[in-house]
Amino acid sequence: EDQVTQSPEALRLQEGESSSLNCSYTVSGLRGLFWYRQDPGKGPEFLFTLYSAGEEKEKERLKATLTKKESFLHITAPKPEDSATYLCAVQAGSGGGADGLTFGKGTHLIIQP
Amino acid sequence: KAGVTQTPRYLIKTRGQQVTLSCSPISGHRSVSWYQQTPGQGLQFLFEYFSETQRNKGNFPGRFSGRQFSNSRSEMNVSTLELGDSALYLCASSLVQKNTGELFFGEGSRLTVL
Repeated sequence: EDQVTQSPEALRLQEGESSSLNCSYTVSGLRGLFWYRQDPGKGPEFLFTLYSAGEEKEKERLKATLTKKESFLHITAPKPEDSATYLCAVQAGSGGGADGLTFGKGTHLIIQP
Repeated sequence: KAGVTQTPRYLIKTRGQQVTLSCSPISGHRSVSWYQQTPGQGLQFLFEYFSETQRNKGNFPGRFSGRQFSNSRSEMNVSTLELGDSALYLCASSLVQKNTGELFFGEGSRLTVL
């Protein structure tokens, strides 16, 4: 069974204080690892897809990295508008098929001004 | 460009009733997935449709069902509602034929079962 564990569950940072969120996973046949951001009352918003160990993706103050067992979402000099719940998900599958995404429970990030 | 539209946004039902939720994907998107989100379990995959065919199904009982129409709009139905079915039901659409995980989510339908 595919599993995704995110840590910490919640994180409070001061504006400008960089940190990292962790996503550990076990999956048979990783097709991709994904990061989403979810604001209160909204659906998740796609951020990144990582396909293989060693891959990195960047977007503004966010950088996602991937190893064979975990992924990190690094947040550099965050601003209050970065406050949200960050969700990690994996997709398994082989051949021509692809499974639905398996999500972690998320990290609730609060950036204080 | 309009996003994914879900209706209704909020609804209250009682145990034993059934409910139908609707989802209109982004124009041109032919894949539609449904997820259940609860505080305890997080986001859990229900099923995915492409070209009116169910391609994948998550680990939910048969009370949960869905369908997709020729215009890619989708509906999901939950019969014989239980208290534990209270959740935010999210619909997501994607452009490519093979789901690559880049999903565009709607704002969800929040179901409360009393």
